[in-house]
Amino acid sequence: EIVLTQSPGTLSVSPGETATLSCRASQSVSRVYLAWYQQIPGQAPRLLIYGGSSRATGIPDRFSGSGSGTDFTLTISRLEPEDFAMYYCQHFGYSPWTFGQGTKVEI
Amino acid sequence: QLQLRESGPGLVKPSETLSLTCTVSGGSISSRSYYWGWIRQPPGKGLEWIGSIYYSGATYYNPSLKSRVTISLDTSKKQFSLNLSSVTAADTAVYYCGRRLSTIVMNAFDIWGQGTMVTVSS
Repeated sequence: EIVLTQSPGTLSVSPGETATLSCRASQSVSRVYLAWYQQIPGQAPRLLIYGGSSRATGIPDRFSGSGSGTDFTLTISRLEPEDFAMYYCQHFGYSPWTFGQGTKVEI
Repeated sequence: QLQLRESGPGLVKPSETLSLTCTVSGGSISSRSYYWGWIRQPPGKGLEWIGSIYYSGATYYNPSLKSRVTISLDTSKKQFSLNLSSVTAADTAVYYCGRRLSTIVMNAFDIWGQGTMVTVSS
């Protein structure tokens, strides 16, 4: 089983700043199989990034993904108030398709 | 556009079987590019992938739940279902159904249901 470890657990930032979230895999994962989601409390997760770096439909360009192998990063530039939420990475390398434990981006 | 909606009891007794159905509307359920899956989230905790089913009927389960989980697909009704047996309080969670799009360039749960809260309690 591939374990995804996200850091930090909580990230305190201010609107307008940049947030950098990490997702580290216990084994190498093809970037094709790495996705990021945003979850606002009380809502279902929303796909942000697939293929490690491609934005999903309707996702603003202040969200960007990068990385390869075991280290992946989600960068949120120019933080807007609606960006304060939980963020999860997930892999699809092989079953089980596990999630990271999440990073909370707070003000 | 394709939408998913979960349905099923909100309260299940310990040791019984939790049964949920996800109805697909606005699109096809039969495509080589789709896996249909279940994800859960206990109150205040993170996301856990439960398992998925391919359009062909092939199933993939999280080993931590495999002995208790069955996922099935009914293409005629455009539904897929989750059965989780011998539930305990630890199975209390919001249960989401989702579509995993699987192509050369995209692998992700791109569409999610709104989620349904299931509480295990006597």
